[in-house]
Amino acid sequence: EVQLVESGGGLVRPGGSLRLSCADSGFTFIDAWMSWVRQAPGKGLEWIGRIRSKTDGGAISYAAPVKGRFTISRDDSKNTLFLEMNSLKTEDTAIYYCASGDYFNFWGQGTLVTVSS
Amino acid sequence: QTVVTQEPSFSVSPGGTVTITCGLSSGSVSPSYYPCWYQQTPGQAPRTLIYSTTTRSSGVPNRFSGSILGNKAALTITGAQADDESDYYCVLFMGSGIWVFGGGTRLTVL
Repeated sequence: EVQLVESGGGLVRPGGSLRLSCADSGFTFIDAWMSWVRQAPGKGLEWIGRIRSKTDGGAISYAAPVKGRFTISRDDSKNTLFLEMNSLKTEDTAIYYCASGDYFNFWGQGTLVTVSS
Repeated sequence: QTVVTQEPSFSVSPGGTVTITCGLSSGSVSPSYYPCWYQQTPGQAPRTLIYSTTTRSSGVPNRFSGSILGNKAALTITGAQADDESDYYCVLFMGSGIWVFGGGTRLTVL
């Protein structure tokens, strides 16, 4: 069974950087398409981006609000997904979820990122 | 930019049937948008209900069903129960690797 655990959240100043991780304890990470989705306090879900499996080409796509600032990567040897966030803005404050599968089939519990001065 | 639309809120009586829809600010939703549905209760991560229009995720009760109704994707709950009171989100595939979530529908069971 897929079990996803996010980490790396915390308080960061506007303009700062943060790196989130998502560890998958399942056995199918290498074949999984992985995504990041965030949820601002009291708001709805927002898709951030996705990385395909290497066997499917490894292409990465991003939502417009984060393109050029956020970078998604994966380390299949460690069953871990990453989200590198730069030039953070107050509006990036949210719970960040990783999700596994073509259709966001499995979700982690999320990690909170707060961007504030 | 295309917006994915959902009803902000809905209420249903216990045992009743409710249909939540997922549309586009411009155009019609078809199976090529691979509509998916998620349930989220406060403080919890989303749970996948339906993917690729009609496929129920493992362990999801069959009172949840997905379809295309007219020009929108739809999630129907038949025989609503108290613990169905949640926020429901749809997501659509826009092509070029891009997905967009709807704003969510808060369902009240009373």
